[in-house]
Amino acid sequence: DIQMTQSPSSLSASVGDRVTITCQASQDIRSYLNWYQQKPGKAPNLLIYDASKLETGVPSRFSGSGSGTDFTFTIRSLQPEDIATYYCQQFDNLPLTFGGGTRVEMK
Amino acid sequence: EVQLVESGGGLIQPGGSLRLSCTAPGFSVNSYYISWVRQAPGKGLEWVSVIYSGDSTYYADSVKGRFTISRDISKHTVYLQMNRLRAEDTAVYYCGGHPNRVGTFAYWGQGTLVTVSS
Repeated sequence: DIQMTQSPSSLSASVGDRVTITCQASQDIRSYLNWYQQKPGKAPNLLIYDASKLETGVPSRFSGSGSGTDFTFTIRSLQPEDIATYYCQQFDNLPLTFGGGTRVEMK
Repeated sequence: EVQLVESGGGLIQPGGSLRLSCTAPGFSVNSYYISWVRQAPGKGLEWVSVIYSGDSTYYADSVKGRFTISRDISKHTVYLQMNRLRAEDTAVYYCGGHPNRVGTFAYWGQGTLVTVSS
């Protein structure tokens, strides 16, 4: 199975800050990586697919980059509504696997 | 827009069975890759199973041999039959899918809680 290591597990930032989350795969997954946002009590929401493509309707302050084993997710300017937990997920191989999540809190 | 609606969760004793449903009103579930993903209380996301448009099915090792995914096209519904349930199967179960991307979840249901406890 492909292990997805996400860091940090949590972070605290202020409105307007740039937030960066990393995700490392245990083997080459090319660009088969998605990023999701999940708010408490809600289903996840797809933000980025294929490592860097913005899902329709998602604000442009969200972005993703990387390929192979190392990936980065960035919120360019943190907004109050971005408080959530973020997950990376690989779909290069079954079983599909998720990172452990990054909880983003407001400072 | 595609809406997925889960149902069938509840409290069940260890060793028992439960069947979850994921309904997509007005959409053909045969045209979508539909997965079940679960989330234990306070934990992260765990993929459980997927059914492909050609009826191929795949499972996480943790549920293989106990869970079965299937679909009824006429009812716009994908099912997850869960047998020999264990305490560690306690979670919110989501169905999620995409029309043409196997491992991507653009559409999600609201989730249904399964609690396995005596």
